[in-house]
Amino acid sequence: GAVVSQHPSRVICKSGTSVKIECRSLDFQATTMFWYRQFPKQSLMLMATSNEGSKATYEQGVEKDKFLINHASLTLSTLTVTSAHPEDSSFYICSARDDPLAGQYFGPGTRLTVL
Amino acid sequence: AQSVTQPDIHITVSEGASLELRCNYSYGATPYLFWYVQSPGQGLQLLLKYFSGDTLVQGIKGFEAEFKRSQSSFNLRKPSVHWSDAAEYFCAVGGMEYGNKLVFGAGTILRVKS
Repeated sequence: GAVVSQHPSRVICKSGTSVKIECRSLDFQATTMFWYRQFPKQSLMLMATSNEGSKATYEQGVEKDKFLINHASLTLSTLTVTSAHPEDSSFYICSARDDPLAGQYFGPGTRLTVL
Repeated sequence: AQSVTQPDIHITVSEGASLELRCNYSYGATPYLFWYVQSPGQGLQLLLKYFSGDTLVQGIKGFEAEFKRSQSSFNLRKPSVHWSDAAEYFCAVGGMEYGNKLVFGAGTILRVKS
């Protein structure tokens, strides 16, 4: 149980385009989803927390107009990187939980490369 | 600031040898503690977690961890390492004192030599 999927697993796009990444909880309802960014050989950096039906809460330094997060249902959250630039290239990982005591369950990640 | 310290960036052990990965957190009277493992290019898999109760917790793949409040530590152990354990390991702390979010350590890369 507690499976989280992400789509796509890899995406290459041109500078200036927008990219949408989906995160789904497959066998549980996720009241809260999280989006992380991971640079090579570094730890995970929390970008934002989203609760179903509410606006996302962004961490300090994360541009909310650039990284649009939607959590429209209890099983789906999306991250849209708008007007992507090469410096946005990274590994993006989502996680989901239904209960704070259960911990977070992570998706497999999405490798974004912006040319 | 809230922080999690994993002092060892890399650790190399021989297959069959025992393993201990260190983790210390900066504060919290009632932290929620986690260990995750990440293979290259993959997401994170939860190995084990501690919320309360018995301070020695058992996880998947033969791992265990011990919470020591006096040392603010949550070290991960395995008595006999297998080559398939080579990966990166992240300690994380959460709970209400951390805003119900996870704060991750920098990670420890485990190499297993045959």
